[in-house]
Amino acid sequence: DQQVKQNSPSLSVQEGRISILNCDYTNSMFDYFLWYKKYPAEGPTFLISISSIKDKNEDGRFTVFLNKSAKHLSLHIVPSQPGDSAVYFCAARGNAGGTSYGKLTFGQGTILTVHP
Amino acid sequence: DGGITQSPKYLFRKEGQNVTLSCEQNLNHDAMYWYRQDPGQGLRLIYYSQIVNDFQKGDIAEGYSVSREKKESFPLTVTSAQKNPTAFYLCASSNPYRGRGGYTFGSGTRLTVV
Repeated sequence: DQQVKQNSPSLSVQEGRISILNCDYTNSMFDYFLWYKKYPAEGPTFLISISSIKDKNEDGRFTVFLNKSAKHLSLHIVPSQPGDSAVYFCAARGNAGGTSYGKLTFGQGTILTVHP
Repeated sequence: DGGITQSPKYLFRKEGQNVTLSCEQNLNHDAMYWYRQDPGQGLRLIYYSQIVNDFQKGDIAEGYSVSREKKESFPLTVTSAQKNPTAFYLCASSNPYRGRGGYTFGSGTRLTVV
């Protein structure tokens, strides 16, 4: 059962335009959401996060929106740049106690290509 | 600088052989994780450990084994029982109870069975 889903395997955007990456989740116990960016043959790097008590978090060109009622989050990149071309993973953290606490569940990833 | 180191970056294994992937961190993180990445399948959790001498199976633990004898180290052994071992393996660490608990990832090991 895929608890975190990124339904778009890929997204192509023109430089300067907005990129919107989407993520849906099913587990209402998730309390924290994160976006990671990954280049080929490298490990993912943290991009931006949001707590479940908020609905928006901004960091420069990157904004994450959380709609708890719809169990949906999105990452907006404005303006998009060719260097943003990478795989983007959304992740969710469960707040259950014990040995599972802090474990992240990842989506399948979305390949973003920004054309010059 | 603190970080997480995976070695080697590329590894080739003959069928039927066991192979061990190294993961070391000097971030003083309590928790460590192993993920596998395959095309179109995202990151799938193999094993994780919250404290020394304790670890739990993830979603795809069959054919893998781990140990956590030291806080800094979490090696992964890919055994001959793993049917499709060719993949990109990622190690990560975190402090679940401190800060935001996000992961720091290593740079990965590409394992190819020949």
